Amino acid sequence: EAQVTQNPRYLITVTGKKLTVTCSQNMNHEYMSWYRQDPGLGLRQIYYSMNVEVTDKGDVPEGYKVSRKEKRNFPLILESPSPNQTSLYFCASSLGDEQYFGPGTRLTVT
Amino acid sequence: SQQGEEDPQALSIQEGENATMNCSYKTSINNLQWYRQNSGRGLVHLILIRSNEREKHSGRLRVTLDTSKKSSSLLITASRAADTASYFCATDLNDYKLSFGAGTTVTVRA
Repeated sequence: EAQVTQNPRYLITVTGKKLTVTCSQNMNHEYMSWYRQDPGLGLRQIYYSMNVEVTDKGDVPEGYKVSRKEKRNFPLILESPSPNQTSLYFCASSLGDEQYFGPGTRLTVT
Repeated sequence: SQQGEEDPQALSIQEGENATMNCSYKTSINNLQWYRQNSGRGLVHLILIRSNEREKHSGRLRVTLDTSKKSSSLLITASRAADTASYFCATDLNDYKLSFGAGTTVTVRA
């Protein structure tokens, strides 16, 4: 089944403790992206990747890092999480115009 | 920055009625897409309309695009309880980024 998977689905952590949210797609898509969703703000793009080893900042990249060492994986790294990074995170992949979204990761930073 | 804005923010209708929501955007686009999100889950692509198209249909969905007014509308005909969800417009600026609005929450009452 074609899909985008994210892990973990739920995470509660403390300020400053490094964490990684994994994203994997099995559709051989070149384009992958991370978004965060906050009430009243819709989805805002954090980072995106056009292909392996090619990444670029989206609208809200501060406090986040990404890497794209393999085509199928696009992990999101929070080196020192802060409470304002509490949010619902979505990974997406695309071959063309339409984006396929993962199920989301709900992150709470206390 | 957010490119699209949906209107209304929330909509409540009776099963069988039509639901219409609008999206306005600020700059020229390559295409405009509509996505649906069921509560707390990932977004699902519904329909895409390109900048040179004026109207598009997909099942019970009808999308219009007016590039002179920088606006789009999504019509769901003969609504069902399963249509209860949030609907987002996303503008593709042809720079490998989708810009999402804050969404319209649709509730279909039985």
